[in-house]
Amino acid sequence: AQSVTQLGSHVSVSEGALVLLRCNYSSSVPPYLFWYVQYPNQGLQLLLKYTSAATLVKGINGFEAEFKKSETSFHLTKPSAHMSDAAEYFCAVSETGSARQLTFGSGTQLTVLP
Amino acid sequence: ETGVTQSPTHLIKTRGQQVTLRCSSQSGHNTVSWYQQALGQGPQFIFQYYREEENGRGNFPPRFSGLQFPNYSSELNVNALELDDSALYLCASITGGSGTSGPETYNEQFFGPGTRLTVL
Repeated sequence: AQSVTQLGSHVSVSEGALVLLRCNYSSSVPPYLFWYVQYPNQGLQLLLKYTSAATLVKGINGFEAEFKKSETSFHLTKPSAHMSDAAEYFCAVSETGSARQLTFGSGTQLTVLP
Repeated sequence: ETGVTQSPTHLIKTRGQQVTLRCSSQSGHNTVSWYQQALGQGPQFIFQYYREEENGRGNFPPRFSGLQFPNYSSELNVNALELDDSALYLCASITGGSGTSGPETYNEQFFGPGTRLTVL
């Protein structure tokens, strides 16, 4: 069975500050890991994915995440927050070798303060 | 824009009624997944269809059923609606097959904007 834990349901940062959203996973097999962003009244947009290649993954809009097997973590970072980054962020895990079900965390609402 | 559309955008039903939600996938995407996202929660996997057959199911009762059509559209049907069925329902369109493949292979899921279902 696989699961995802996102620490912090709400995170606030000032514009220009570092963004750090935490994700820890549990998986019985090597995982695929993802970060999705959801803007109000919209579906999910893929930010980045880890699929067993490089452990440091770069995504869209300046986001990146590092896969750390020893810590079972896949934290999302961005060096400098922008007002447009305000949204809900979801970490998700899937079993390798399959495009089957994604298991999502409960999400982190990011607020960017001016 | 993912090229995945869903209809309707909003829907209000009463307890005990039945509802059908629709999804139109990208051309060539022969796999579709459906997710339920309750308010304040992450999406939960309902089921997946591949070439018009159910191909994986999450922890949802049989009153949640689906259909997939050759024209890359699909439906989610929910019978005997309950108050807890109120949620955003997302479909995700996937390119290629959904069978097992090497670890280097991943078929991205493209999500639609969702249908907001309210059960009164």
